[in-house]
Amino acid sequence: GQQLNQSPQSMFIQEGEDVSMNCTSSSIFNTWLWYKQDPGEGPVLLIALYKAGELTSNGRLTAQFGITRKDSFLNISASIPSDVGIYFCAGLRATNKLIFGTGTLLAVQP
Amino acid sequence: GAGVSQTPSNKVTEKGKYVELRCDPISGHTALYWYRQSLGQGPEFLIYFQGTGAADDSGLPNDRFFAVRPEGSVSTLKIQRTERGDSAVYLCASSFDSNYGYTFGSGTRLTVV
Repeated sequence: GQQLNQSPQSMFIQEGEDVSMNCTSSSIFNTWLWYKQDPGEGPVLLIALYKAGELTSNGRLTAQFGITRKDSFLNISASIPSDVGIYFCAGLRATNKLIFGTGTLLAVQP
Repeated sequence: GAGVSQTPSNKVTEKGKYVELRCDPISGHTALYWYRQSLGQGPEFLIYFQGTGAADDSGLPNDRFFAVRPEGSVSTLKIQRTERGDSAVYLCASSFDSNYGYTFGSGTRLTVV
């Protein structure tokens, strides 16, 4: 099935560093979402974006909805060990189905 | 309940057997979704229910897969004649307002041997 392209595939960083990851699509989405998934759990919603160009923050997380509506990025500032996990972008289709990205694995070393 | 509940959490079955996976959505959520997540991949859409009816079942891979939601609450995903390629984590999610990100359950890890 279709999956969005996410990069990087994985990141290994030191605690306190900032992180940036992005997601691109060949088609337009009207809603972009970012999720975090811990081992053995389902994805948990972090940020939702509803308008092209929108910049939204949730604590140390900031996400932007690309102006072309074909991309989005997520920044995490001052990373901490509990930020470890897999981050997924997702675009929402009109029939309420989510098209997920391929995921970015984040490892944070204390 | 407080969250989306999926049972069993793990299921090991032999190739060719029939399995049922259960999802209890958040109380009051009218929309329910099934996704499948293979190792190292993002979740892939299977089917979406609005109330009792399947509003979009375009993600079901073939006719061995079927899902029901007879009373608009609990849903069951049924897989007939399981194959090794069906091994994956099956995630259920529900939402009250379909324009917002859903709440996912912890999934059922299905292993076909």
